[in-house]
Amino acid sequence: QQQVKQSPQSLIVQKGGISIINCAYENTAFDYFPWYQQFPGKGPALLIAIRPDVSEKKEGRFTISFNKSAKQFSLHIMDSQPGDSATYFCAAHHFYNTDKLIFGTGTRLQVFP
Amino acid sequence: NAGVTQTPKFQVLKTGQSMTLQCAQDMNHEYMSWYRQDPGMGLRLIHYSVGAGITDQGEVPNGYNVSRSTTEDFPLRLLSAAPSQTSVYFCASSYDGTPYNSPLHFGNGTRLTVT
Repeated sequence: QQQVKQSPQSLIVQKGGISIINCAYENTAFDYFPWYQQFPGKGPALLIAIRPDVSEKKEGRFTISFNKSAKQFSLHIMDSQPGDSATYFCAAHHFYNTDKLIFGTGTRLQVFP
Repeated sequence: NAGVTQTPKFQVLKTGQSMTLQCAQDMNHEYMSWYRQDPGMGLRLIHYSVGAGITDQGEVPNGYNVSRSTTEDFPLRLLSAAPSQTSVYFCASSYDGTPYNSPLHFGNGTRLTVT
């Protein structure tokens, strides 16, 4: 049972375009939602994260939008660059299971010049 | 500062063989964990440890053993390898296991093929 559903599985965007990756969850006990970025041959690395008490968080070209009532959150990459080509994972942390992070299935983003 | 170091980078095993995937961190992190990454499945937690001498099972623990005798090392043992264990394995650590206080730091992975 996938607790965090991520879409799309793959995404192709032209340089300068906006990349949007969506995630949805069911468990209302999730209290922290990070996004991880993974380049080929490397491990994932934290990109940006949000708590459910805010609806948006922006860091440079990367923005998380959070809709608590719909139990959805998304990553927006503005002015996408070829260097953004990577696999992106959304994740969720369960308030009561303090030691566990639940990951989505990943989105492979390719940005073409 | 090396961060999280995993060895080996690649490994091929025959069905039934055993092996140990090594993981070491030099950040004095209490929390360490093992994930496997499979296409279309994301990252799934195998085992984790909140400190030396303490381990617990994650989402997919069957076929794997772990121990944590020191803060720095968290080896993952495959007792009798099966083709279903073909995957990329990631070790990750954090200061205290609470993601909002201390993000996970991942190693660069071990790609394991079981034939």
